[in-house]
Amino acid sequence: GAVVSQHPSRVICKSGTSVKIECRSLDFQATTMFWYRQFPKKSLMLMATSNEGSKATYEQGVEKDKFLINHASLTLSTLTVTSAHPEDSSFYICSAETVSSYEQYFGPGTRLTVT
Amino acid sequence: SQQGEEDPQALSIQEGENATMNCSYKTSINNLQWYRQNSGRGLVHLILIRSNEREKHSGRLRVTLDTSKKSSSLLITASRAADTASYFCATDPAGDYKLSFGAGTTVTVRA
Repeated sequence: GAVVSQHPSRVICKSGTSVKIECRSLDFQATTMFWYRQFPKKSLMLMATSNEGSKATYEQGVEKDKFLINHASLTLSTLTVTSAHPEDSSFYICSAETVSSYEQYFGPGTRLTVT
Repeated sequence: SQQGEEDPQALSIQEGENATMNCSYKTSINNLQWYRQNSGRGLVHLILIRSNEREKHSGRLRVTLDTSKKSSSLLITASRAADTASYFCATDPAGDYKLSFGAGTTVTVRA
């Protein structure tokens, strides 16, 4: 149980285009989902927290107009990287928190490469 | 913000040996968790230890927590090649639901 999926697993896009990454909790309802960014050989940096039906809360230094987050249902959150640039290339990981506990379950990650 | 700091940054051991890594943090916590990440993959939850616990075991894993020193250790006994991965500690600061990750320890187990 407690499986989180991400789609796509890898994406290559051209500079200036937008990319949407989906995060789904497959067998549980997630009131809260988190989006992280990870640079090579580095730790995970929390980008934003999204709650179903409300606006996401962004961490300091993360541009909300650049990284659009939508938490449309208790099982789906999306992260859209708008007008992507090569410096947005990174590994993006989501996690979902269950309704009944504060344990986070992580998705497998999405490797974004902007050319 | 990043709260946990792991030590060492990298560790290389022979199969069968034990691997120990440490994590230090700065503020009071509700719990501390350890995760494993294989190269280019997502995180796998290993173990959660609550602030009122001092030691926890799960299979070949042993985690200790010393809240007075604000530190935790993860011991992997009888390591296997499949244990090669990066290991991260993550804290759940008291009063804050967000996880704060350490920089990670990269463990290489040589066959």
